[in-house]
Parts: sequence; C-alpha cells; structure tokens
Amino acid sequence: DQQVKQNSPSLSVQEGRISILNCDYTNSMFDYFLWYKKYPAEGPTFLISISSIKDKNEDGRFTVFLNKSAKHLSLHIVPSQPGDSAVYFCAAIESGNTPLVFGKGTRLSVIA
Amino acid sequence: KAGVTQTPRYLIKTRGQQVTLSCSPISGHRSVSWYQQTPGQGLQFLFEYFSETQRNKGNFPGRFSGRQFSNSRSEMNVSTLELGDSALYLCASSSGPRGRETQYFGPGTRLLVL
Repeated sequence: DQQVKQNSPSLSVQEGRISILNCDYTNSMFDYFLWYKKYPAEGPTFLISISSIKDKNEDGRFTVFLNKSAKHLSLHIVPSQPGDSAVYFCAAIESGNTPLVFGKGTRLSVIA
Repeated sequence: KAGVTQTPRYLIKTRGQQVTLSCSPISGHRSVSWYQQTPGQGLQFLFEYFSETQRNKGNFPGRFSGRQFSNSRSEMNVSTLELGDSALYLCASSSGPRGRETQYFGPGTRLLVL
C-alpha cells in the first residue's frame, strides 16, 4: 500500500510560469516532508523540507505548502526554468524515525 | 564538503553471483541509508546504519545485507543475485536529530543482473 502518492506522473509547464507538483500521504505518523529533484543517472538532490508544525516553507523559487488535515503537500516553483526539468520526488519521515518513504515521482518538463 | 560517493558506478553480474557496493558519506555524517530504485517499485528503503550498527531495516530478503565501518563508510552486499535485483542502488548520508535529518544522496550504483 503506497503511503506517499504523487498522482501526476508528468507535468509540462512553460518557462516563466508556475509549476505546481502535488503529493498526498496516508500515514498520520509522518511529520517531516521533503522534496527531491532527480536527473537521469544521478542521485536525488535535496530541494526543500517542511515540518508538520508549519504550513509553508520558502527557499528562493521553491515553496512547499503542507495541509495536514487533507494530508496533502505541494511544491511550487516560480518562475519555472528549463533547468528545472527533472523528476521530482516527494518523501516523508515518521516521527523519530529515519527511512524516507518516497512517492513514485513526477516528471516536470519546462518548455522554453 | 565533498558529497556522498559510491563505487562502482556501474556493474554487470550474472544470476547467482554476489556483489558488494561501497558508499562513503559526507564527512561528519554518521548515518548511512541504502535505497533501491526500480521502475516498478520506485525508491525503497533497504537499511540504515548508525555508528556501525544497523538501526533500521526495510522489507527486503536476507540476501541483502550491509555493514558500516568506524569511519562511517558503508558497504552493502547482495548474495545469490536474481534478475529482479537489477536496479539503481542509492546511498544517502545524514546528520542531525533523528526524524528531522535531511538525507543527501550519492550518484548511485547501477546494477544489471543477466
């Protein structure tokens, strides 16, 4: 049973516009969430994280929103750039634990 | 700081053989986790080592094992390889409070089992 779901396998966005990537989770014990970006033949690169005590965290062009009641988080990228084209993974951690539980990823294509 | 390094980057083995993969964490990181990435299952947790002790284990058969050395370097071993073991094996290192740590990944070892 998938505990972290990214229901959109792919997303295309024009350069300069906003990219919104979504993630849903089912395990109420998750209290720390991370987004990673992955290029082919490379390991995932950490982008941004959020603790369950917050509902928003911002870092430059990247903002993550957390809606605990809906068990939903989203990553906003503004403005989108061609170099943002990659697979984005949402991951979650249970309280006091270590293993990251990943979604299956969303492939973002930013078109110039 | 240098990032997480993994060797070898690519490996081809045949069924029944065994393989050992190596991971050097970021300097100062004491936790090393291993993940398997396959097209069908995505990224799945294998195990975590902290201070030379296995602290957590995922749902993989006993053919998958690992260890960590006193310098935090880690190795994972897969014995009696099966075709389904073909995957990208990723190592991640982290520091900080458990449950709040950010894991930093290496480039991975791509294993092909023929």
